[in-house]
This record gives sequence, structure tokens and C-alpha cells, in this order.
Amino acid sequence: GESVGLHLPTLSVQEGDNSIINCAYSNSASDYFIWYKQESGKGPQFIIDIRSNMDKRQGQRVTVLLNKTVKHLSLQIAATQPGDSAVYFCAENVGAGKSTFGDGTTLTVKP
Amino acid sequence: GAVVSQHPSWVICKSGTSVKIECRSLDFQATTMFWYRQFPKQSLMLMATSNEGSKATYEQGVEKDKFLINHASLTLSTLTVTSAHPEDSSFYICSARPYKGLNTEAFFGQGTRLTVV
Repeated sequence: GESVGLHLPTLSVQEGDNSIINCAYSNSASDYFIWYKQESGKGPQFIIDIRSNMDKRQGQRVTVLLNKTVKHLSLQIAATQPGDSAVYFCAENVGAGKSTFGDGTTLTVKP
Repeated sequence: GAVVSQHPSWVICKSGTSVKIECRSLDFQATTMFWYRQFPKQSLMLMATSNEGSKATYEQGVEKDKFLINHASLTLSTLTVTSAHPEDSSFYICSARPYKGLNTEAFFGQGTRLTVV
């Protein structure tokens, strides 16, 4: 079946460094992707999205890159802060407004 | 901003009883809401799509008679876990899209931690 998966389950970075979280997807027909942040015991929080007609989108301290050729998505966080520690999920819309979530990467920021 | 609220945040129930979880869109109307389940250290798995005024659409492998969904108004969807068993213990999360169009971001509730003893 279609799936969205992440390459690394955990990532540890030093405060102030940049973080890169990767995601692979398998549905070549997907045209909308979202990154979510989930803190412990809470629901996912929208970070940034990108449509398939784009290859890069920037937000505040975050950048999402989309490579449709290899079906790869990445989230870059600049100047990572302790408050960025969380689990990050990529998700793709699979039709009818439904989203399929990847496995998640746990980001730990060391002070 | 768009707010989705769930109630309760956590609930403990005895095996064999039923539990109802509410999902409300506080500042927008949602004709469609989505229910997810998340086990510890795992990803979110879509259970069903809740449709206002019509039957919910369940994902493959999700028992519709066990997970009853009602979407009676444009701001409220409920998920009832019937005859709950310990294996139903999980984190249940709902979401909705406040903006028109399928390719828009979803906003999630804070989740409901269900523990069946």
C-alpha cells in the first residue's frame, strides 16, 4: 500500500545548530505535504506545508524541500532551540482531505 | 487561529464499558473531521472520516460497530468506543480543516488518552 516513512527515528542536535529531518514517500500522485510537530501528550501542530508544484518553501526558521524525482521531503530547522524538541511527522494528502503520516523523528536539542 | 478542542483530555474506564470522546471546532465550521489513533512511540493512524449529516467512512480494519462516530452538527463530532477492552487503550486525536479545499492544513485537537482497566 501507499506509505510515508522517515529515514531516521531520532535526531540529537546542539542548541543553535541547524536540524534536518528527512522523509520518503511512495505515492507519486500525492500533491500536498505537511510537516507537523508533536510534543509529548499533545496533538500534532502544523509547521509548514508544500504543494507538489513547488520544490521549496520557507517559514520562520523552517524550510521544507520537496524532491519529486526521488520522492523525498525534508524539514530544515535553523538555529534549533530547546523548545524545538519534539516528534516531527511528515504527512501527505491521499485524497478526500485525508492525511497519511510517516513514522516520526524524535528531535532532541541539547543545551 | 483555528482551534479544535477535545474532551476529555484523559479517561480511565473499566473493561466492557463505553466511552465517548468529543471533538469540537471552536471558531469554524467543519463538515468533515478525522479521527486518529496513536499508540505509544508510534505514528498517527487514521481511523475514520466523520461527515456531518451522514455516515462516517472507516478505514480498512477499523470496526465501525466498535468505534461509533456521530457528526450531528457542523462543530461537533463524537467518537464512542463501545465495550472497551485494554487493547483499546490509546491516544485518540481528531482533526479538521478550517479552510476550504482539500489541500489545506489540518488542525488537531489536544488528544484524549484512553486507559481501559
